[in-house]
Amino acid sequence: SSELTQDPAVSVALGQTVRITCQGDSLRVYYASWYQQKPGQAPVAVIYGKNNRPSGIPDRFSGASSGTTASLTITGAQAEDEADYYCNSRDSSGNLRVFGGGTKLTVL
Amino acid sequence: QLQLQESGPGLVKPSETLSLTCIVSGGSISSNNYYWGWIRQPPGKGLEWIGNIYYGGSTYYKPSLKSRVTISVDTSKNQFSLKLTSVTAADTAVYYCAREWTTINMNYFDPWGQGTLVTVSS
Repeated sequence: SSELTQDPAVSVALGQTVRITCQGDSLRVYYASWYQQKPGQAPVAVIYGKNNRPSGIPDRFSGASSGTTASLTITGAQAEDEADYYCNSRDSSGNLRVFGGGTKLTVL
Repeated sequence: QLQLQESGPGLVKPSETLSLTCIVSGGSISSNNYYWGWIRQPPGKGLEWIGNIYYGGSTYYKPSLKSRVTISVDTSKNQFSLKLTSVTAADTAVYYCAREWTTINMNYFDPWGQGTLVTVSS
């Protein structure tokens, strides 16, 4: 399968913890990477591999994977975390890439 | 610090060819473990992977676009390019270029260019 499925929208109270998930058959083999995109801006990687954060990404962002589901967790969500989040991985062949449909995170 | 910058026309007529270039600065495009990719985002919609290229020239394309897409690399100019033929209004999008780090079981895109809006209209 070449699809990655995300919930369209998730909300979290300020300071609370939220988990955003991404489902796809290829996630049994390949790790997902996660991107944050704010309006009018290019996406920024926040998690890649098993649970790695690019330089400059706060440690409240973490990643995990189990079976066909990858997840991005924000522990202690801040107002500035309100954004669209996309997962990405390879397809089952390993040669192609695919993005999930995106999750709009609202911080209440 | 590696930077990528997309360049090309912002308006393309239907049935014509969209051509964009991504200029890479602050690092070499001829680096092992990196692919160079194109991703697009129609207005108000999600991200769509178009394809990628390795500095040696090997390419992969999204199957639904494969018949219309060509990605090429010019290592002497440290840049790579996208051509999309026979465009329609459905190809209107912000087009991003990005460096992709790949290993045996993971990949990620970082950094990204700022993106360039290409509108298909007569």
